[in-house]
Amino acid sequence: GESVGLHLPTLSVQEGDNSIINCAYSNSASDYFIWYKQESGKGPQFIIDIRSNMDKRQGQRVTVLLNKTVKHLSLQIAATQPGDSAVYFCAVPGYTGNQFYFGTGTSLTVIP
Amino acid sequence: DAGITQSPRHKVTETGTPVTLRCHQTENHRYMYWYRQDPGHGLRLIHYSYGVKDTDKGEVSDGYSVSRSKTEDFLLTLESATSSQTSVYFCATSVGGELFFGEGSRLTVL
Repeated sequence: GESVGLHLPTLSVQEGDNSIINCAYSNSASDYFIWYKQESGKGPQFIIDIRSNMDKRQGQRVTVLLNKTVKHLSLQIAATQPGDSAVYFCAVPGYTGNQFYFGTGTSLTVIP
Repeated sequence: DAGITQSPRHKVTETGTPVTLRCHQTENHRYMYWYRQDPGHGLRLIHYSYGVKDTDKGEVSDGYSVSRSKTEDFLLTLESATSSQTSVYFCATSVGGELFFGEGSRLTVL
């Protein structure tokens, strides 16, 4: 199966600062990447995705950067807010395109 | 809200007993999944379904079986629960490459 890893299990940032969450993947043929946010006691929710024909994609306060050369993607959250405190996962599809493999997650804590 | 309901939301059982978790969706999504979530392991795929009566194994399928007799329902069965199956189980559906998750079912096997 796919191997997806996150670089840091925990991350603490001050409210208002920018957050960067990293993820590495193993399959150079992966062409679609997704970030999910999981709040305490809830299921993960889609944040943003990016396809391999792009290096960068922006959403509302979030940006995903993809570096295919080193098989690395990152999620940047601008002006981090207390409501951003959650566990963040990156995910990639498997070879069939219908399975999804997740990293181990980074727990983001926002300090007021 | 992707219209996914998991039941039961919490269950405590004893080793060796059978357990069935149910996932019900109202969105008519073709693909459905069962994941387990454990500290340090993230989300791991147990089984998935690509249509009625069509299922396949995921990364950690040993000790689990699934059934999908209707589009809206996907059942996960532990034939003989073990303590290593204590976990939080998430059902998900997908459409257009995006996964929609239920709220999770916390299972404790004593």
